[in-house]
Amino acid sequence: AQKVTQAQTEISVVEKEDVTLDCVYETRDTTYYLFWYKQPPSGELVFLIRRNSFDEQNEISGRYSWNFQKSTSSFNFTITASQVVDSAVYFCALSGGGSNYKLTFGKGTLLTVNP
Amino acid sequence: EAGVAQSPRYKIIEKRQSVAFWCNPISGHATLYWYQQILGQGPKLLIQFQNNGVVDDSQLPKDRFSAERLKGVDSTLKIQPAKLEDSAVYLCASSPNLGAQYFGPGTRLLVL
Repeated sequence: AQKVTQAQTEISVVEKEDVTLDCVYETRDTTYYLFWYKQPPSGELVFLIRRNSFDEQNEISGRYSWNFQKSTSSFNFTITASQVVDSAVYFCALSGGGSNYKLTFGKGTLLTVNP
Repeated sequence: EAGVAQSPRYKIIEKRQSVAFWCNPISGHATLYWYQQILGQGPKLLIQFQNNGVVDDSQLPKDRFSAERLKGVDSTLKIQPAKLEDSAVYLCASSPNLGAQYFGPGTRLLVL
């Protein structure tokens, strides 16, 4: 069975602070994919990143960066110099390989960035 | 490129009534998913289509929920009869060749 744990239910920061959202996953698949999605108050899930299990390189996209460590089964997400527009619920998700690719989501972390 | 379209955006019904949701995926995306998101939780997959065939419906409550994807494009999800616990956001997503999933705005259902 697959499982995603986002231990941080809510995080509150002040604008321009850096913030890291934690994600720990469990899977028996050797090939799998990890995702982060953003869900702003409007409700639509916005795709941020996908990583496959064979690519442990960290990735940076503007103010966003992701740290994938298979040894600790973690896929953490850092926002540098946070902005008010970053306020949203962030979901980490996992899918297996094979023919299914269904996403198993964590419970999400509510990030509030205060001005 | 147009995103995933869903309608209606909001629906309020009484328990035991029926309701249907519609989804139009991104053009060319072969895979379509329906998720249920209860308040405060992450989305949960209800059903996955590959073209017009069902790949996974293991978590679909088949006694009351049904879904179809005619001609491998649009899809409808129906609940009949609705229960109070069906109050949730119903999200449709599509992906090209089982890749990253792109979500629509969702339909917020309230069952009274």
